[in-house]
Amino acid sequence: AQSVTQLGSHVSVSEGALVLLRCNYSSSVPPYLFWYVQYPNQGLQLLLKYTSAATLVKGINGFEAEFKKSETSFHLTKPSAHMSDAAEYFCAATNTGFQKLVFGTGTRLLVSP
Amino acid sequence: EAQVTQNPRYLITVTGKKLTVTCSQNMNHEYMSWYRQDPGLGLRQIYYSMNVEVTDKGDVPEGYKVSRKEKRNFPLILESPSPNQTSLYFCASGTSGPPYYNEQFFGPGTRLTVL
Repeated sequence: AQSVTQLGSHVSVSEGALVLLRCNYSSSVPPYLFWYVQYPNQGLQLLLKYTSAATLVKGINGFEAEFKKSETSFHLTKPSAHMSDAAEYFCAATNTGFQKLVFGTGTRLLVSP
Repeated sequence: EAQVTQNPRYLITVTGKKLTVTCSQNMNHEYMSWYRQDPGLGLRQIYYSMNVEVTDKGDVPEGYKVSRKEKRNFPLILESPSPNQTSLYFCASGTSGPPYYNEQFFGPGTRLTVL
């Protein structure tokens, strides 16, 4: 069964610093991958998705992620953190039949001034 | 505005009292799904529906029922709620298969407390 692992339940950065949130997937076939963001008291919003067209994917709010098949990874980055980036981030993968999204356990990003 | 709506947003109830959480989408999506979110566990799928009258179990279906009689609506039913169903619930809709690959749009969530 496919699984998604997010390393680090909490990540703290200073405003202006690099943001790196880690995601690894477990699949014999590269899945389709997503990053979602959840702001307090809100639903999930799509940041970006990988659908095999390009390994470097750019999303909203300056975020991007790189698909690395050799490392089974899809890490999320942003060059310079902003206070408004503080939220919980979820990595997800769809299974081959597209019946479900499998989510990681989430990483809460804390941004300090 | 394209959206997924859920009602109610907050609900406190007692053990055993049947309840329904409604979900509606206006994007003509075939696919709809229910998730529950619990601290440290991420989102876990309860049930999903690939189209009208087609539903199937997700990872944690026990204690829940769903129905899909219309394309836009996908209610979640708890026939006899128990305290372990206290959670944050999300409804989502999307289009499976290329080019969307099950990208999903989420509702705002329903926070349920069962006493």
